[in-house]
Amino acid sequence: EVQLVESGGGLVQPGGSLRLSCSASRFTFSGHWMHWVRQAPGKGLVWVAGISSDGSDTKYADSAKGRFTISRDNAKNTLCLQMNTLRVEDTAVYFCVLGSVLATWGQGALVTVSS
Amino acid sequence: QSALTQPRSVSGSPGQSVTISCTGTSSDVGAYNYVSWIQQHPGKAPKLMIYDVSKRPSGVPDRFSGSKSGNTASLTISGLQAEDETDYYCYSYAGNYVVFGGGTKLTVL
Repeated sequence: EVQLVESGGGLVQPGGSLRLSCSASRFTFSGHWMHWVRQAPGKGLVWVAGISSDGSDTKYADSAKGRFTISRDNAKNTLCLQMNTLRVEDTAVYFCVLGSVLATWGQGALVTVSS
Repeated sequence: QSALTQPRSVSGSPGQSVTISCTGTSSDVGAYNYVSWIQQHPGKAPKLMIYDVSKRPSGVPDRFSGSKSGNTASLTISGLQAEDETDYYCYSYAGNYVVFGGGTKLTVL
């Protein structure tokens, strides 16, 4: 069974940075698009960013452009999201998601931006 | 990157059918046959129920079906069961991004 395990969440002050990681296993990681999707407390799901199977193509939501960077290391089966200049409104659970149809989701990592 | 429009809530009795709509634009839902639906129980990771408008992943009951007409996609759940009560989200590929609906809470009466 596919496994996606997020890590790196936590409490950070506004303006700070945080790097999320997602460890993938039990599937051919290098063969699939990967995405980050977030969910603010009590709110709906919002797509954040996506990256092609070889990392050559990246796409971002307007809210993430210029602040967040999605990347991957296919040798280590790892997806990352570098988040800079964080805002209070970035507080959310961040899900690592497999595939172009968002087929399989991790359990999520909570990011709290607060002073 | 405006969100797709879903009803905030729908309800139905056990055994009945309900349909959840998902309205977008000619740039997302209307432009591509890449509409999906996920189910999310509170505190849990979402589960893919329908992809590419009407395809069901392995293991999803055939009580769940999807369709699309123009800029509006729909998820129909027939033979409602108590365990179907939860939140449902649609989303669509939109060229350079993915756009979600606001979510619909399904109540089984």
